[in-house]
Amino acid sequence: EVQLVQSGAEMKKAGESLKISCKGFGYSFTMYWIGWVRQMPGKGLECMGIIYPRDSQTIYSPSFQGHVTIAADKSSNTAYLQWSSLRASDSAMYYCARRDTAMDPWRLWGQGTLLTVSS
Amino acid sequence: QSVLTQPASVSGSPGQSITISCTGSSSDVGGYNFVSWYQQHPGKAPKLLIYDVSYRPSGVSNRFSGSKSGNTASLTISGLQAEDEADYYCSSYAASTILYVLFGGGTRLTVL
Repeated sequence: EVQLVQSGAEMKKAGESLKISCKGFGYSFTMYWIGWVRQMPGKGLECMGIIYPRDSQTIYSPSFQGHVTIAADKSSNTAYLQWSSLRASDSAMYYCARRDTAMDPWRLWGQGTLLTVSS
Repeated sequence: QSVLTQPASVSGSPGQSITISCTGSSSDVGGYNFVSWYQQHPGKAPKLLIYDVSYRPSGVSNRFSGSKSGNTASLTISGLQAEDEADYYCSSYAASTILYVLFGGGTRLTVL
């Protein structure tokens, strides 16, 4: 089955580091862009950045540049979203999603990873 | 602040039809036929409903349809059902943005 499976919910403290994951199954992981999407409580969808696992080309939204790191491991078909120092305002649901090209929609979504950061 | 503007909420009774609008600019919605719509039920991941303005992925009910006029795209749901109660987001390709994608702020559909 073609799917993206994300790591489980996390509870962290402000200042801590964290890496969450998104593993692709059932398709050629390196052939599609993976994006990370934030959804704050009761709010809409925000694209944080995207990565092309074949060559790890990464593009960040200016709103998130410098605060998160996006990476991918071709050998394990896994993409990552990483923080070196969490803030309480990072508390949100994070989704990974897959698209073919820049013009294509996000056809496949992970189930989401809920992050709660306490101050 | 979302660049694509959607109404915050819409409502309708079972069996009725509703339309959700998504207004952008000539640099995104109006400039390309790459508008998509997503449905999100509470606590669930978004699901692709419509892509390329009016195409439905396999498995999506034909009660959902999309269209576009100028800088405004629309999602119409006909024969409303209780299970349609959800949040709906539009998205558009936007060549001038670094990620080539914009999202709308979302619309909460209530089935009365």
